Amino acid sequence: ETGVTQTPRHLVMGMTNKKSLKCEQHLGHNAMYWYKQSAKKPLELMFVYNFKEQTENNSVPSRFSPECPNSSHLFLHLHTLQPEDSALYLCASSQDMRTSGEQYFGPGTRLTVT
Amino acid sequence: GQNIDQPTEMTATEGAIVQINCTYQTSGFNGLFWYQQHAGEAPTFLSYNVLDGLEEKGRFSSFLSRSKGYSYLLLKELQMKDSASYLCAVRDQRGSQGNLIFGKGTKLSVKP
Repeated sequence: ETGVTQTPRHLVMGMTNKKSLKCEQHLGHNAMYWYKQSAKKPLELMFVYNFKEQTENNSVPSRFSPECPNSSHLFLHLHTLQPEDSALYLCASSQDMRTSGEQYFGPGTRLTVT
Repeated sequence: GQNIDQPTEMTATEGAIVQINCTYQTSGFNGLFWYQQHAGEAPTFLSYNVLDGLEEKGRFSSFLSRSKGYSYLLLKELQMKDSASYLCAVRDQRGSQGNLIFGKGTKLSVKP
């Protein structure tokens, strides 16, 4: 158990749907991250929040919209996705993004866009 | 620019030793991480190097040479459960912000 949970674990959605991914960390960390993991590609950083403030948006299309209401919760709102957005979406947390501490990952949400 | 290279796949025998190499090019290096990821699971932290040299942790060791932009992960006494992908990640420090840049991962298969 890593202390970072994600729901749902699997999601199938049509291109016109709206859905949200949820991440929660129980580690008392101040930084949270969204990554996309596609087959045969490196983990791609999407968004970073540090003390609830967004500090990084890695050129992510606007059909992905993050929300961080507090340091323990992170959401990724999805709308009008494309089939190429099908991937494993991983959430991670760390003490804060300025220290050298490792990131702790959640189990991911396997997203399929039909 | 940023670039991290590691072999795509490796195969080794149970009980043997395997070395997974990683080379990197970043603009602001501030540490290198190794993660293990079993299929369908979250990456889990294995090791961290920020200074040159070898860090040992049980059956796993990690080495760093900053001047060569090179690291390796050494796995000893391989077990079947070590079959997984091993991700090399470099902390790229820009100002007060340090994000992890990941390689594509090395898929290790351990055979009996």
